[in-house]
Amino acid sequence: NAGVTQTPKFQVLKTGQSMTLQCAQDMNHNSMYWYRQDPGMGLRLIYYSASEGTTDKGEVPNGYNVSRLNKREFSLRLESAAPSQTSVYFCASSGAVGVTEAFFGQGTRLTVV
Amino acid sequence: RKEVEQDPGPFNVPEGATVAFNCTYSNSASQSFFWYRQDCRKEPKLLMSVYSSGNEDGRFTAQLNRASQYISLLIRDSKLSDSATYLCVPGTGGYNKLIFGAGTRLAVHP
Repeated sequence: NAGVTQTPKFQVLKTGQSMTLQCAQDMNHNSMYWYRQDPGMGLRLIYYSASEGTTDKGEVPNGYNVSRLNKREFSLRLESAAPSQTSVYFCASSGAVGVTEAFFGQGTRLTVV
Repeated sequence: RKEVEQDPGPFNVPEGATVAFNCTYSNSASQSFFWYRQDCRKEPKLLMSVYSSGNEDGRFTAQLNRASQYISLLIRDSKLSDSATYLCVPGTGGYNKLIFGAGTRLAVHP
């Protein structure tokens, strides 16, 4: 019953450090997404992968890179973290883009100091 | 125009009240629609899916108006446990993005 698993759950970075957020799903879904959510605000799409081997920019891609490693895994990388990237990051997956429901991981709470 | 717009709220209602939220969308090709519930600092979870004119599940009813491009969520007999943020997301009808509305916050009080 794992669904979507994100690691780590919490992280504190110093400005300029890099890190990779990991996401894996065990539902054989084609599509995967990364969102960020700032306090009191909605989800904003960073990057998505409609299927294995493809990735595309979302609403707020600057400062991030992604890799769809295989059908199960979709990672998000911050090359040089900035305080503006302090946020909660959610990974999600769905069977097909915009058709079936999306399932979310529990989120990664990232603080950049 | 934003792709998805929602009533910002917060909606403060007493227990037992009926409350409705609206969500407007700009992509006329959207065929499916979803309402998610998000509790504070938790991941969103699916509340309802709408693939035709509407859907009903217990106290929750979603209505779709394609001509005016909005979808509504009606909650009857509100419970304290309904307090949450409700997020609307239209299916993208061919576009490969899943864009959420900013959410409507509901607070149900005794």
